Amino acid sequence: QSALTQPASVSGSPGQSITISCTGTSSDVGGYNYVCWYQQNPGKAPKLLIYDVSNRPSGVSNRFSGSKSGNTASLTISGLQAEDEADYYCTSYKVGSTPWVFGGGTRLTVL
Amino acid sequence: EVQLVESGGGLVQRGGSLRLSCAASGFTFSTYSMNWVRQGPGKGLEWISYISSTSSSTIHYADSVKGRFTISRDNAKNSLYLQMNSLRDEDSAVYYCARNIAVSYGMDVWGQGTTVTVSS
Repeated sequence: QSALTQPASVSGSPGQSITISCTGTSSDVGGYNYVCWYQQNPGKAPKLLIYDVSNRPSGVSNRFSGSKSGNTASLTISGLQAEDEADYYCTSYKVGSTPWVFGGGTRLTVL
Repeated sequence: EVQLVESGGGLVQRGGSLRLSCAASGFTFSTYSMNWVRQGPGKGLEWISYISSTSSSTIHYADSVKGRFTISRDNAKNSLYLQMNSLRDEDSAVYYCARNIAVSYGMDVWGQGTTVTVSS
């Protein structure tokens, strides 16, 4: 069981916007602004999309945005494209013996 | 080109040991913190270890590997290592090394991964 909870799957049509949630506790998501989001295509290494809740690394499309409210972080993808179909993972810094934890991942299907 | 290349994976018996390596190129390795992350077959990502740029200062492990795995680095060789002992079936996974983004805790550069299979 992952420390951070994500929906197993989400879907949307091209051009639409979707949001993926990542729910933790006050010991991780709610307590620190160190939430990251990664995109992973099958058989490939993950790619960093968002760090520090809402910052995009250079080269990442501005269609990807991050936010946080309380113990829940969110990744929003606007203007969905077929190439966005992938697995998405959140991660957060966490108080305790294991300082970084991932969510279980969300499979995005573009209809 | 900024690149990380893992090696050292393979088939190992339960209870055995393996040492993974990660060769860095295209950036100043000594100034970046590094991580190991793994992904079991059909499963999600699991962070397992972190080492700061100055290897003696800060090291962290996930509870699942603490006491069995050891992370280290050789900045002169631009290399990161993971010594894995007392391997269990659940350690079977693709192992990625990943660079910590300079300004925070995200992992912005990843290797292609190396596969470890633990068999009985």
